[in-house]
Amino acid sequence: DTAVSQTPKYLVTQMGNDKSIKCEQNLGHDTMYWYKQDSKKFLKIMFSYNNKELIINETVPNRFSPKSPDKAHLNLHINSLELGDSAVYFCASSSRTGGYGYTFGSGTRLTVV
Amino acid sequence: AQKVTQAQTEISVVEKEDVTLDCVYETRDTTYYLFWYKQPPSGELVFLIRRNSFDEQNEISGRYSWNFQKSTSSFNFTITASQVVDSAVYFCALNYRKTSYDKVIFGPGTSLSVIP
Repeated sequence: DTAVSQTPKYLVTQMGNDKSIKCEQNLGHDTMYWYKQDSKKFLKIMFSYNNKELIINETVPNRFSPKSPDKAHLNLHINSLELGDSAVYFCASSSRTGGYGYTFGSGTRLTVV
Repeated sequence: AQKVTQAQTEISVVEKEDVTLDCVYETRDTTYYLFWYKQPPSGELVFLIRRNSFDEQNEISGRYSWNFQKSTSSFNFTITASQVVDSAVYFCALNYRKTSYDKVIFGPGTSLSVIP
């Protein structure tokens, strides 16, 4: 059983479209995250949820909206996709708010054409 | 300000050589955590080690060892007798307390190539 699973693994879409990435963890962790990894491999946090409550919301365009229906799920919806949104998006979870290390999903490679 | 620096962008070594990846961090917190993660060419991010700020003991796990020195704000990672499978991007990360929640920032990563 995959601990943190993201779908889809690859996503190719046209500019202007709306898309969602789903994430689920079966570790019983309280906190989930979305990170963006750019083409230079730099990892930057976007959002964090603790028990369905948004606790970190970095400077991310409003076109990005996270949703956490329960503490095991954290989805990312992106409206009006732009070329600059092309990146790898990682979901992660941790048992506390970060001090115990993350378990990452396998990533979603988003390509906007 | 909190910051993680990995000055080595890319390193190449020949198999069986030892290699040290440097990590220097900045924080004003007295309680914090440091991590190393590995990202192999397949792309997943793998947790390697966690160290809290009160534990300066060095750690060894097989061919991997970590040297934590608060005096120099460094948390360096050494691979002994490197192997091709060690080729990956390695990230150092810092977890610190920001008001009511923790936040983790990653260094820019060091790309290690082990040549057979």
